[in-house]
Amino acid sequence: AQSVTQLGSHVSVSEGALVLLRCNYSSSVPPYLFWYVQYPNQGLQLLLKYTSAATLVKGINGFEAEFKKSETSFHLTKPSAHMSDAAEYFCAFCFGNQGGKLIFGQGTELSVKP
Amino acid sequence: DTEVTQTPKHLVMGMTNKKSLKCEQHMGHRAMYWYKQKAKKPPELMFVYSYEKLSINESVPSRFSPECPNSSLLNLHLHALQPEDSALYLCASSPSRRLQETQYFGPGTRLLVL
Repeated sequence: AQSVTQLGSHVSVSEGALVLLRCNYSSSVPPYLFWYVQYPNQGLQLLLKYTSAATLVKGINGFEAEFKKSETSFHLTKPSAHMSDAAEYFCAFCFGNQGGKLIFGQGTELSVKP
Repeated sequence: DTEVTQTPKHLVMGMTNKKSLKCEQHMGHRAMYWYKQKAKKPPELMFVYSYEKLSINESVPSRFSPECPNSSLLNLHLHALQPEDSALYLCASSPSRRLQETQYFGPGTRLLVL
């Protein structure tokens, strides 16, 4: 079955430390992969997406992600965490003939300590 | 204009009430979506409209009735809801249903059913 898994429902880092949020997918066909961020009481905002043009994808707010087909992963990183990065992060994907049907991971809550 | 607007922001209704949620976008997008999000969970797709026609209905109960009167507007009519329907209802839009398209989310309507 097609699915996406986020390892760790909660990640805590210190301000200035590396942020690493993990996402693995299971798909028999090439997927399109997305990272969205949701701040408290708000909708979702796209951070970045993989559409097969390049395996290293740069997004907004200093985030980037690398698509690794051999590891079926699309982990999100940021070199230096900022307090304003505290939010819920969702990995999602579309595949095959399911246009418009985003399948979300369970989410990872990122906390940033001063 | 790159935003999706949703009204109302908050809604409290009884189980016998009829109410409607409204979503609007002026980006020229031809695909629009309704999602339901429970606390600490990822969004779950409910409906997809493409060119004002219903394309996907994720087996949503008939007490939820979507309507797309034109390419900019999406409504969700609510009738005889249950307390378990209390959630954040998110609307999104995208240029089309192509797999690589970004979905743009509104801020949501927080619904409480008493």
